[in-house]
Amino acid sequence: AAGVIQSPRHLIKEKRETATLKCYPIPRHDTVYWYQQGPGQDPQFLISFYEKMQSDKGSIPDRFSAQQFSDYHSELNMSSLELGDSALYFCASSLVADRTDEQYFGPGTRLTVT
Amino acid sequence: AQTVTQSQPEMSVQEAETVTLSCTYDTSESNYYLFWYKQPPSRQMILVIRQEAYKQQNATENRFSVNFQKAAKSFSLKISDSQLGDTAMYFCAFSNAGNMLTFGGGTRLMVKP
Repeated sequence: AAGVIQSPRHLIKEKRETATLKCYPIPRHDTVYWYQQGPGQDPQFLISFYEKMQSDKGSIPDRFSAQQFSDYHSELNMSSLELGDSALYFCASSLVADRTDEQYFGPGTRLTVT
Repeated sequence: AQTVTQSQPEMSVQEAETVTLSCTYDTSESNYYLFWYKQPPSRQMILVIRQEAYKQQNATENRFSVNFQKAAKSFSLKISDSQLGDTAMYFCAFSNAGNMLTFGGGTRLMVKP
């Protein structure tokens, strides 16, 4: 079965640079979530989209923005990168009509800021 | 706001034995879901088991089962016949109405041969 695809898998950027992370949800899934997992931490919710509209917002810095496109893929844009942004970024997708609240996670993008 | 607490940062178990990981949560919601996710060294987040709050019957998935105590807001995971491949970080998580997952701090489980 198709899974959530994230690209790139690894990304190295310098401070103050910009990064774009991409997420391709499981086909037919209508909701995308973004999570940030710092070293030794649990995943923290950043933002979510349902049917291409922002549905919820967590602890996402103002330097970050995200959107979901007409084909349901989502992009997380990160500007003015800081060392503390180094983390594993997960995208997850779900289908609201399933009524299970199950979220399927992608493999993550490991961002390193130097 | 919901909170999820895992009080055991690390645990170990001998291969083939049984281990129980603890999780407590706090919420004012009446309808919600609870999950256990496994994160092996590959860092992939893998769903282990799911429990719906309105169901009294404890969920079971092969060697994995939960003890869901709604009144006590407790949700423990029991792993039977532990295998080396069960070595991983385990996260307890909460969600309601299709919203975000709130995770506990995790329990690192080591299965010893």
